[in-house]
Amino acid sequence: GENVEQHPSTLSVQEGDSAVIKCTYSDSASNYFPWYKQELGKRPQLIIDIRSNVGEKKDQRIAVTLNKTAKHFSLHITETQPEDSAVYFCAASRSFQKLVFGTGTRLLVSP
Amino acid sequence: SAVISQKPSRDICQRGTSLTIQCQVDSQVTMMFWYRQQPGQSLTLIATANQGSEATYESGFVIDKFPISRPNLTFSTLTVSNMSPEDSSIYLCSVGDSTEPNSPLHFGNGTRLTVT
Repeated sequence: GENVEQHPSTLSVQEGDSAVIKCTYSDSASNYFPWYKQELGKRPQLIIDIRSNVGEKKDQRIAVTLNKTAKHFSLHITETQPEDSAVYFCAASRSFQKLVFGTGTRLLVSP
Repeated sequence: SAVISQKPSRDICQRGTSLTIQCQVDSQVTMMFWYRQQPGQSLTLIATANQGSEATYESGFVIDKFPISRPNLTFSTLTVSNMSPEDSSIYLCSVGDSTEPNSPLHFGNGTRLTVT
């Protein structure tokens, strides 16, 4: 079955810096890759997703890139703000539904 | 996206008892899933709740321990049976946006379960 690895486990940046979180997946048939943000005590919230027929997708300060050949995808956050502090999870799926999650990255943005 | 109501939001239960968690969606959705998030960990899929048929369980999860009901396209329940302290986790209901087969998943607020 699918296995998703996520790095780093923790990431500390200064406000205004960029943050990059990387994930690799094992199932070459996976075709959907969402990213979720989970603030302390709250539910995971979908922040961006990408399908396998697209190499990059951007939404304001957030972007995701996908390299199908290497089977890895990354989340890029520019101009980080303290409210970006949270745990971020990547996931992979053969369909849009049955998601396999990475282990999570705790992002801390210091003012 | 669909509005997902999950209850209870939290509970403290004694070992050996069972707890049923409800997930209600404000619109019909095809796919509903139940996830578990152990303290400080990632999310693990327990099962897919299939409307009108038995749930599909992932490796390591069995129906006797986690019976699931899905009577219609807007509602599902997950029961955690014969609980032990190892069952202390957050249990999350997840649904697609609609009856579209390829709609992104969203999560309910979760049920924080503590077993003593």
